Amino acid sequence: NAGVTQTPKFQVLKTGQSMTLQCAQDMNHNSMYWYRQDPGMGLRLIYYSASEGTTDKGEVPNGYNVSRLNKREFSLRLESAAPSQTSVYFCASSEHGTGVSPLHFGNGTRLTVT
Amino acid sequence: AQSVAQPEDQVNVAEGNPLTVKCTYSVSGNPYLFWYVQYPNRGLQFLLKYITGDNLVKGSYGFEAEFNKSQTSFHLKKPSALVSDSALYFCAVRDGDYKLSFGAGTTVTVRA
Repeated sequence: NAGVTQTPKFQVLKTGQSMTLQCAQDMNHNSMYWYRQDPGMGLRLIYYSASEGTTDKGEVPNGYNVSRLNKREFSLRLESAAPSQTSVYFCASSEHGTGVSPLHFGNGTRLTVT
Repeated sequence: AQSVAQPEDQVNVAEGNPLTVKCTYSVSGNPYLFWYVQYPNRGLQFLLKYITGDNLVKGSYGFEAEFNKSQTSFHLKKPSALVSDSALYFCAVRDGDYKLSFGAGTTVTVRA
């Protein structure tokens, strides 16, 4: 089982460039999430999609946009990358909302913005 | 907002010894608490959760956690640590229908 698949694994951008991080899950989960992980700060929620067709802001949405393309796929876009967006990005999915179902994570995308 | 704190950045234990990773929480209402583990260059993996019921929760890989309401704690434990338990451990609390608030993480090193 693939679970949650993220692409790319690594990316280096120059300030001002744009890119889209891709995420797909094969578990037929309803909810999908984008988190960023920074040293000493745990994981912070960027955006989430409770179900197909809906998206909502999380804790740190500024500078990001998302698209829930279908039930399987949830992409994260950086329109104009900034050094502060250097981080490891994780996509996750769950069958239902938090507190009911555990999160299943992808292996992350390590992004460096110079 | 709900939050958790992990007071130790690092925990070092010898293989075969008991392992404890500490977590305290601050919530309004009843807490939904979780532990996740992250191995190098991997995403987080779910270990266990507490919603209601027994204060001792059993999870994956021989881990368990004890919920203590009076001390607002949810410590992760393993009776006999293995070298393969070396990883980064996160405590988390439900902070809305679709949000978990994570602690900063505790790095566990188990020496042979």
